[in-house]
Order: sequence, then C-alpha cells, then structure tokens
Amino acid sequence: KQEVTQIPAALSVPEGENLVLNCSFTDSAIYNLQWFRQDPGKGLTSLLLIQSSQREQTSGRLNASLDKSSGRSTLYIAASQPGDSATYLCAVGGSSLAAGNKLTFGGGTRVLVKP
Amino acid sequence: DAGVIQSPRHEVTEMGQEVTLRCKPISGHDYLFWYRQTMMRGLELLIYFNNNVPIDDSGMPEDRFSAKMPNASFSTLKIQPSEPRDSAVYFCASSLETGGGEWSYNEQFFGPGTRLTVL
Repeated sequence: KQEVTQIPAALSVPEGENLVLNCSFTDSAIYNLQWFRQDPGKGLTSLLLIQSSQREQTSGRLNASLDKSSGRSTLYIAASQPGDSATYLCAVGGSSLAAGNKLTFGGGTRVLVKP
Repeated sequence: DAGVIQSPRHEVTEMGQEVTLRCKPISGHDYLFWYRQTMMRGLELLIYFNNNVPIDDSGMPEDRFSAKMPNASFSTLKIQPSEPRDSAVYFCASSLETGGGEWSYNEQFFGPGTRLTVL
C-alpha cells in the first residue's frame, strides 16, 4: 500500500526566503505526482502535476522535482511572500493511467511566511 | 470557467438523518472524484467515476454511503443514516484525461468542499 509522507508538518520562514517542501513515497511505481495548495477552510488548488516520465515542472516561482527511484519529490517556492502561507499537499497517483486517478495524499506541510 | 461547484457548503444534521451532498464538475471533464478530509485520516478517496460510470468505490467506508452520477454535470454522495463519525469535509474533484497513451494524464481540480457536522 502506498504511503506518502511530508516532513516537516509545519514550517515558518521570513518573507523573501526560498521554501523547500519535501514529499516521500514508499512505492516508486507511480504514474504521476501532483502538488496542491490548501488555504484554511477552502478547497485544494492544483499547483503542479509531474508525470512519471518527467523529472521536474515549473510554473512561475514554483518548481517541483521528481526522483522516482528514491521515492521523493520536492517543491521549491522562490522568494516567498506572505500570500504563500497555506498548507501544501503532495499526492501520488498509482502505477497506470487508470490507477493514476487514485491519488494518495500526504499529511501536508503548513507554511507560514512572516512579513 | 466556474470551477467545481459543491452544495451545500455547510451541513449540520442529527445522527440518523439522511444527508445528500451535491457536486457539479467542470464542464467537459470526464472524471469525477469524491474525497473526505478529517484531521485524523487526512484526505481519502471515496469513489470515482469515468463518463458517469463508477470505476472504483473501494474507499467508501460502509454501506451507509452511496454515490451516483446520473449525468455528466451532476453527482451526489448520500449518507443514510448519518453518524457523528461521518463529520468531515467532503470534497468533489473533476479532471479531463489529456494527451494519449503513455503521455496521458489527469490533473484533478477540487471544489470548495462541504463541511458536514453530525450531532
């Protein structure tokens, strides 16, 4: 059974510092990996999706890397801003297109960016 | 685009009552997912549909839970009878299979959720 872990559970940084969020998974046979952001009391916002054949994806200040062999993904947020404060969730899809629809979520990392 | 729409946003009910949660996926999306989020268990997939057909309901906790998708623009998740341990935030998400073959992927887009409290 796939297990997804995000450490640390909470992180506090001063504004302007780069954020590094970690995600690890136990079964490397994944189809895709998706990073989400969740604001308090709100739904999830998709940030980046990485297919298993890719090593990284970039969108603006966000960059996500994927190392399947080691079972790890890292989300980098450059030059953090107070508006980046939220919980960031990593989700891993199964080993095929069909199974890839079944996302297994990590527990999330709660980020606070201090002005 | 309006995004995934869920109703109601909040629901408070008493134990034993029937609860129906509703979801309208993004127009044109061919997959629909129901998730539950709790502090103890995090986010869990309950069931998902492809082209209105249930594909995997292995996450549905008990027979008290049922889900339907009568057409491409509407789905319901029903709990009957409800229990206090069903209290959670229930999310609906939708996606569109994009690409082809090994390059296919499904990026899931979530609704705002329904916060259910069962007293």
